[in-house]
Amino acid sequence: GAGVSQSPRYKVAKRGQDVALRCDPISGHVSLFWYQQALGQGPEFLTYFQNEAQLDKSGLPSDRFFAERPEGSVSTLKIQRTQQEDSAVYLCASSSGQGIYHEKLFFGSGTQLSVL
Amino acid sequence: KQEVTQIPAALSVPEGENLVLNCSFTDSAIYNLQWFRQDPGKGLTSLLLIQSSQREQTSGRLNASLDKSSGRSTLYIAASQPGDSATYLCAVNVEQYSGAGSYQLTFGKGTKLSVIP
Repeated sequence: GAGVSQSPRYKVAKRGQDVALRCDPISGHVSLFWYQQALGQGPEFLTYFQNEAQLDKSGLPSDRFFAERPEGSVSTLKIQRTQQEDSAVYLCASSSGQGIYHEKLFFGSGTQLSVL
Repeated sequence: KQEVTQIPAALSVPEGENLVLNCSFTDSAIYNLQWFRQDPGKGLTSLLLIQSSQREQTSGRLNASLDKSSGRSTLYIAASQPGDSATYLCAVNVEQYSGAGSYQLTFGKGTKLSVIP
């Protein structure tokens, strides 16, 4: 595709609901990252995939957060039993190279999650 | 734990002025450092990436420098334009014990730049 696509663009959830956020990386990109950006803050790392393998999930804040990339392309970030503190913009990024280099990193526009 | 600080948090300048944005980091063991631009409601765009062995990188009107030992980087923007208005983020890739980079970037909170016509 032309760029990294994320959907939905906006998501409003009631506290306790489960949500699923989708990321379509640039076609052929090996590396895929998820970041969480709270209002007025810089992005914070959540997890990293190299193809379908999740090589680093140390940034996931709790076991309510789960990410997958089963076929090495599209990725889904799932949040169970959402809490108000989960309200943030969730950013996805992809690159053609290995994740440790962070070269030519392309970000999507993000999904803004609001938990009421 | 690596911490990245950006000063100032916000900056307003008249069009045509040269300006410097600052970034400092607490752990000098970095693999590389990257500057990003973020426009409202949009994702991040990579501007410049400096490897730990480099002192600076240039792209058009942008010049980024790195002083690894002192834990500082600056982004210099020459002849600023209203289209430069955005939030500029600095991000550090921490070096692992193996000497390789990590999968995580550590970001500062950003500097919000407004260029007044």
